Amino acid sequence: AQSVTQLGSHVSVSEGALVLLRCNYSSSVPPYLFWYVQYPNQGLQLLLKYTTGATLVKGINGFEAEFKKSETSFHLTKPSAHMSDAAEYFCAVSRSGGSEKLVFGKGTKLTVNP
Amino acid sequence: DAGVTQSPTHLIKTRGQQVTLRCSPKSGHDTVSWYQQALGQGPQFIFQYYEEEERQRGNFPDRFSGHQFPNYSSELNVNALLLGDSALYLCASSLTVAGAETQYFGPGTRLLVL
Repeated sequence: AQSVTQLGSHVSVSEGALVLLRCNYSSSVPPYLFWYVQYPNQGLQLLLKYTTGATLVKGINGFEAEFKKSETSFHLTKPSAHMSDAAEYFCAVSRSGGSEKLVFGKGTKLTVNP
Repeated sequence: DAGVTQSPTHLIKTRGQQVTLRCSPKSGHDTVSWYQQALGQGPQFIFQYYEEEERQRGNFPDRFSGHQFPNYSSELNVNALLLGDSALYLCASSLTVAGAETQYFGPGTRLLVL
């Protein structure tokens, strides 16, 4: 079975500071890993994904994540937070591609202070 | 290019009633997955439809059923509603071909059961 643990249900940063959202996964097969963002009263928007190949993945809005197999981690980072980054972020794992179910973490709510 | 659409946006029902939610996938996609997101939680996989058949199912009771039509749109039906069924119901569409990793989410239907 697959699972995702997101450390920290709430993270607060100052505008311009580094954003680090943590995600650890468990999977018996090589995982596909995703980060989605959810703004209030909206659906989920894909930020970035790792399937195979390069372990450092760049996404939209300046976010990136690094797949570390030895640590079973896929942490999300952004060098400089912007007020518009305030949202809830979900890490998800699947066995392969779009035909497989996504298993989500419980989410991390990011607050950006002026 | 229209993305994933869902209807209605909001719905209020009472315990014991039945509800039908609808989803139109992104143009060109053939696979529809449904997720339930309870307040403060990550989305949980309900089931997935491909070629008008249920292909995968999560840990949800038989009260939850679905259908996929020849045009790939889908419905989620919930019978004998319980208070605990109150949640945001998300539809995601994807393409069942190698290399198509991403599920694209609609804005969701918020169901309140009183």
